[in-house]
Amino acid sequence: GAGVSQSPRYKVAKRGQDVALRCDPISGHVSLFWYQQALGQGPEFLTYFQNEAQLDKSGLPSDRFFAERPEGSVSTLKIQRTQQEDSAVYLCASSLYADRGHEQYFGPGTRLTVT
Amino acid sequence: AQTVTQSQPEMSVQEAETVTLSCTYDTSESNYYLFWYKQPPSRQMILVIRQEAYKQQNATENRFSVNFQKAAKSFSLKISDSQLGDTAMYFCACRTGANSKLTFGKGITLSVRP
Repeated sequence: GAGVSQSPRYKVAKRGQDVALRCDPISGHVSLFWYQQALGQGPEFLTYFQNEAQLDKSGLPSDRFFAERPEGSVSTLKIQRTQQEDSAVYLCASSLYADRGHEQYFGPGTRLTVT
Repeated sequence: AQTVTQSQPEMSVQEAETVTLSCTYDTSESNYYLFWYKQPPSRQMILVIRQEAYKQQNATENRFSVNFQKAAKSFSLKISDSQLGDTAMYFCACRTGANSKLTFGKGITLSVRP
């Protein structure tokens, strides 16, 4: 079956522009996660949804970052007034359930470059 | 909060040989899960192996096995009969029972030489 997909795969934005990154999770997966991966580093947690509810947004680095999942499936991560430090790969992952060690399936990521 | 440490930035191994990747972690939780993920160049991250903290038996998946030392908070990955397709970044990660997010280490770049 289809895995997690993300679009666009690459995004170049000028500093100060707004960007929107899309994630299509595996159908039926309740949980959805966003991670930020800087070059040569491990992914860092940004936010987590269970269905349409955003249960944890403790990893969002500033109020310029906003995520939503209005119908409990597709999610969008929005970054307002992008800064150079926002350059990273943004990974989306989905899981059938959130608890009990269920596997998180990762998408290919969106590589954001802010110039 | 949990932390995951991978102190080796890169390793190299000859094809068909065995290699061990190190990882240490710290968590105050008693119910947690440990994972090794593989991220091939320009490809998405996939799960290699998973270990539940309450299980004493080390997890194995074909050529991949772990050495889970709970008291030492150590979780190393052994890859036997290394193949060229094993070339990738490997991330160790921890997830507590009360917390859904994965906490990753910095990763290690593994190169398998022909």
